[in-house]
Amino acid sequence: EAAVTQSPRNKVTVTGGNVTLSCRQTNSHNYMYWYRQDTGHGLRLIHYSYGAGNLQIGDVPDGYKATRTTQEDFFLLLELASPSQTSLYFCASSEGNNNQAPLFGEGTRLSVL
Amino acid sequence: GDSVTQMQGQVTLSEDDFLFINCTYSTTWYPTLFWYVQYPGEGPQLLLKVTTANNKGISRGFEATYDKRTTSFHLQKASVQESDSAVYYCVLDSNYQLIWGSGTKLIIKP
Repeated sequence: EAAVTQSPRNKVTVTGGNVTLSCRQTNSHNYMYWYRQDTGHGLRLIHYSYGAGNLQIGDVPDGYKATRTTQEDFFLLLELASPSQTSLYFCASSEGNNNQAPLFGEGTRLSVL
Repeated sequence: GDSVTQMQGQVTLSEDDFLFINCTYSTTWYPTLFWYVQYPGEGPQLLLKVTTANNKGISRGFEATYDKRTTSFHLQKASVQESDSAVYYCVLDSNYQLIWGSGTKLIIKP
């Protein structure tokens, strides 16, 4: 069964802390995405990748790094977390061919105190 | 640039009411359009998809028709149920990137 699994599901850190959010997909998809979701802004794309070792910048990349270590695994890194990064983060994957709708994970809720 | 507009931030209905959520888009590409639904505590999930080839999508009683003339992709359902309470997003597939609408929260009054 197609799946996108995120971990952790909840995370609390302090300002200046170092956080890594993990995402694994078992769909053999080429594309993977990281989004953040905030009230009043909907879903905003942070970074995406079309294969292992590839990284593309999304619409709101500032303060975030990402790394795609394998086709299955995509990580989002916050090296100096700030309260403005408190948000709900979603990972998604898709085949990347035209017309393919991404499949989303369950989300990670991050609080930066 | 490409864009998607959902003007209704929230819609409140009673059970068995007719649902209509407005969505308009702008793109220079041949569009593929999606409606996603997000239930509380979950990630967005695909509700239906429409391309220029099929023009209409139907799923779980929901229906959306792509209208090139008016560049619209409205979502409709004849009779809503309490279980339809969720946030609905209109999404444009633009050259392998997704352009998301701001979402419409559907509230069903008991």
